[in-house]
Parts: sequence; C-alpha cells; structure tokens
Amino acid sequence: AQSVTQLGSHVSVSEGALVLLRCNYSSSVPPYLFWYVQYPNQGLQLLLKYTSAATLVKGINGFEAEFKKSETSFHLTKPSAHMSDAAEYFCAVSDRNRDDKIIFGKGTRLHILP
Amino acid sequence: DAGVIQSPRHEVTEMGQEVTLRCKPISGHDYLFWYRQTMMRGLELLIYFNNNVPIDDSGMPEDRFSAKMPNASFSTLKIQPSEPRDSAVYFCASSSYFDSPYEQYFGPGTRLTVT
Repeated sequence: AQSVTQLGSHVSVSEGALVLLRCNYSSSVPPYLFWYVQYPNQGLQLLLKYTSAATLVKGINGFEAEFKKSETSFHLTKPSAHMSDAAEYFCAVSDRNRDDKIIFGKGTRLHILP
Repeated sequence: DAGVIQSPRHEVTEMGQEVTLRCKPISGHDYLFWYRQTMMRGLELLIYFNNNVPIDDSGMPEDRFSAKMPNASFSTLKIQPSEPRDSAVYFCASSSYFDSPYEQYFGPGTRLTVT
C-alpha cells in the first residue's frame, strides 16, 4: 500500500531563509507524488507534482521538489521564504490503481518569522 | 470555470439535527471526493465517486453519514443525527483522470459546528 510520512508537524524559518519540508514515501509501484498547500481558511491547492518525468519538479510561488528514488524522498524546498508562504503543506502519493485517489500525509505547518 | 463550489460555507447546528452539505464539482470532472479535516485526525477521505457511482465509502465514520451524487454536477453529504464530534471542516474535491490524473481541485470547505 502507498503512504507518505512528513517529518515535522511544524517548521519555523526566518523570512529570506531556505525552506525545507521533508516527505518520505512508500509505494509498491513507481509513484506519482504531489505537494499541496493550504492557506488559512481555504481548501488545498496543488503546488507541484512528479509523474516520472524530470526528477526536479518546479511548482508555483518558487517552490520545487526533487524525487530521489534511492532515498524514497520528495522534499519540498524554496530558496528564500516569504511571509506569504505561511501555510500548511501536504505531501501526497497516488494510489496508482485506476482510480484518481491520492494518499495525503498529515501535513506540515510552515511558520515564517520576521 | 468557477472551481469547486461548496455550500454552505459555515453551518452551526444542534446535536441531533440533520445536516446536509452540498458540492458542485468542476464541469467535466469524473471523480468527486469528500474529505473531513480536524486538528486531531488531520485530513480524512470519507468517500469518493467515479461517474456518479460511489467507489469506496470505507472512510465514512458510521451509518449516520451518507453521501449521494444524483448527477455529474451535484453531490451531497448528509449527517443524521449530528453529534458534537462531527464538528470539522468538510471539503469536496474533484478531478479528471483522463485530463490530469490525480490532480484534485478542492472547494473552500464547509465549517460545521455541532453544539
């Protein structure tokens, strides 16, 4: 069965500092991997996705993630944090059956310190 | 497209009352998902539909919860009778397997408070 583990339920970084949110996956088949972001009082929105093409995936708002098969990881990074990046971030893996279901991690809340 | 539409945005009800949450998916999407989000349990998948047919309802907490999708543009999630522990934010999401596999588009959610 597919699953994802997000390390750290809360991460704090200073404005302008590197953002690194960690995600490890478990999958019995080549996975599709996703990062979603949830701003306060909103639904989730897709940040970026990996679908077995380039291992470095660029998303919206300057975020990117790298698929590392050897480490079963899909960490999310941004070189310079902005106050507007404060949100909850969810890593997800596709179920890879014919359905469109994805499995979400528990989320990491990113706090930006001024 | 207006995106996924959910109503109401907020619902406050008393224990024992029936609650109906509504969702209009993005036109042309063939999958619809209902999620529940709480601080304690995070994001939980309750049920999902493909072409209006329920595929997996194993996440529905108990018989008090039911969901329907009478047509491609409308779905409901009903709780009867409601209990305080049902208080949560309920999200509806839709996706198109053939256009963008696994990309789910979420609605703004319905915040339910049961007193």
